[in-house]
Amino acid sequence: TQLLEQSPQFLSIQEGENLTVYCNSSSVFSSLQWYRQEPGEGPVLLVTVVTGGEVKKLKRLTFQFGDARKDSSLHITAAQPGDTGLYLCADAGGTSYGKLTFGQGTILTVHP
Amino acid sequence: NAGVTQTPKFRILKIGQSMTLQCAQDMNHNYMYWYRQDPGMGLKLIYYSVGAGITDKGEVPNGYNVSRSTTEDFPLRLELAAPSQTSVYFCASSLTRGGAYEQYFGPGTRLTVT
Repeated sequence: TQLLEQSPQFLSIQEGENLTVYCNSSSVFSSLQWYRQEPGEGPVLLVTVVTGGEVKKLKRLTFQFGDARKDSSLHITAAQPGDTGLYLCADAGGTSYGKLTFGQGTILTVHP
Repeated sequence: NAGVTQTPKFRILKIGQSMTLQCAQDMNHNYMYWYRQDPGMGLKLIYYSVGAGITDKGEVPNGYNVSRSTTEDFPLRLELAAPSQTSVYFCASSLTRGGAYEQYFGPGTRLTVT
């Protein structure tokens, strides 16, 4: 059974700071997705990465996929209060009908 | 488009009662899923469906049942509710894009069993 571990579990920072959160897998990812979940809502897909070493940017968010496809990081530059939420990584399971295996998430709080 | 809708938003059940959580999507997605999220945890897959009439178990199916009679609807049935089923339940649907699955989640149903 694949285990996804995210770190840190909690992160509390001031507006304008930079931060990085991590996702590590006990086995190779089929493909990796990052989601953000706001309180009282469902997760929203941010990005899908497939190729080892891949880097994707989404405005102030930079996603990196490890060369061995067993780890990933999400870096946020100049964090804003609107970035507050639960950040989840998930293995998208290759051809397994899109079934997702999630990490436990990182709870990010950005204070104004 | 409304996307993925779920009803009810909140529910309190007594031990042993039954209920159905409703999920509907209007995006014509073939794939649909039910997950549960416990406090401080990620989501765990309960059941999924690859099309009308086809369902299969996920990681934590015990105590639940599903049906998929149409593309749009994917209800989740709880029989004989137990306190361990206290959780937030999310329904999702997905399409494939470039070989990857992109999932769209509903707003969730918060269920308490006492």
